[in-house]
Amino acid sequence: SQQGEEDPQALSIQEGENATMNCSYKTSINNLQWYRQNSGRGLVHLILIRSNEREKHSGRLRVTLDTSKKSSSLLITASRAADTASYFCATDGTSGSRLTFGEGTQLTVNP
Amino acid sequence: KAGVTQTPRYLIKTRGQQVTLSCSPISGHRSVSWYQQTPGQGLQFLFEYFSETQRNKGNFPGRFSGRQFSNSRSEMNVSTLELGDSALYLCASSSGQVPYIQYFGAGTRLSVL
Repeated sequence: SQQGEEDPQALSIQEGENATMNCSYKTSINNLQWYRQNSGRGLVHLILIRSNEREKHSGRLRVTLDTSKKSSSLLITASRAADTASYFCATDGTSGSRLTFGEGTQLTVNP
Repeated sequence: KAGVTQTPRYLIKTRGQQVTLSCSPISGHRSVSWYQQTPGQGLQFLFEYFSETQRNKGNFPGRFSGRQFSNSRSEMNVSTLELGDSALYLCASSSGQVPYIQYFGAGTRLSVL
């Protein structure tokens, strides 16, 4: 089964609003990554946070990690229509180089 | 640098046939991973090859196999195709070292009729 679970499954917002997606995982991790996938295409790496980090920023992206709760959140600020995509968290850990992906959040940003 | 290239982009096969998908990783990357993506099951890990050796394997039947060549290019083979094998197959390359950031190809859309 998937290690990561994300919520919400789908999120619809207006341009300019912030979007927050959450990811929970089950086992210890070394790193947690977030990826974006435009419809029917490959995934694109967005940001990585290490297990000893609590927060990380990259442009309009902010990622937090709470290892005690085994959860992470991705915040996209001032969203744009071009941010419409599915967002996945991915963890590595006991399986070494194998990444385990969450089920994804489908984000729709309405112009 | 050129990105990850997957061929073909689209494929239509019938039940019982076999199929081979190809993936050319980013130059210098030694690891190639394969994933199956379906609406019902999400993104499922198939296997990872590193320096021509299978390093990790997911929970798929033996009909799914792969290999990696000395130039790091990889192929995935599915034999005796079933309707449920219809999916988007994604290949990702990485350096193979921590923190295992993966670079994905555009995928091969396989339809089994």
